[in-house]
Amino acid sequence: GQSLEQPSEVTAVEGAIVQINCTYQTSGFYGLSWYQQHDGGAPTFLSYNALDGLEETGRFSSFLSRSDSYGYLLLQELQMKDSASYFCAVKTNAGKSTFGDGTTLTVKP
Amino acid sequence: DAGVIQSPRHEVTEMGQEVTLRCKPISGHNSLFWYRQTMMRGLELLIYFNNNVPIDDSGMPEDRFSAKMPNASFSTLKIQPSEPRDSAVYFCASSPRGLAGGETQYFGPGTRLLVL
Repeated sequence: GQSLEQPSEVTAVEGAIVQINCTYQTSGFYGLSWYQQHDGGAPTFLSYNALDGLEETGRFSSFLSRSDSYGYLLLQELQMKDSASYFCAVKTNAGKSTFGDGTTLTVKP
Repeated sequence: DAGVIQSPRHEVTEMGQEVTLRCKPISGHNSLFWYRQTMMRGLELLIYFNNNVPIDDSGMPEDRFSAKMPNASFSTLKIQPSEPRDSAVYFCASSPRGLAGGETQYFGPGTRLLVL
């Protein structure tokens, strides 16, 4: 099976940088994704890594180390609207996705 | 593009009743996923289809749950009989890539189910 670990809560101030870590255990690892979910809303896709290294998309970046079974989401220039839950999700070769429990990010003024 | 469409958006029913949730994926997407989200259990994958074929239903909690995808533009998730512990938000998501392709799932708005 698969298991993922990410912090349950993170707090930061506007304009700061925050990193949300994700470690995983899985067989047939294919890639790691990140999703954002605001209260009452649906998850929305942020980023995907299949290979080691950093992927940058605007203020958000995601990193993967396959050898360490580890990844992180980096959010820069934090804004109040970034307050949300962030999920890492592992995809296997069979196409199955497993989501972590989510990290609640609170951005304070 | 209308995105993934789910209906109903809200459903309140009584224990023992049959519940049918519906999903229309984004046109051209060939993978479809059903998830359930609760505070206690987080976001759980129930079942997913590729090219209308169920690939993995190991997340379906029990025989009371069933899912079908009769064609590329429609899927249903049925609970019969429903129980209070089935109360959750049910999301449908679709993806434009095949089983081992890139990972971008587009989620629908969800169906908020309350079983009394």
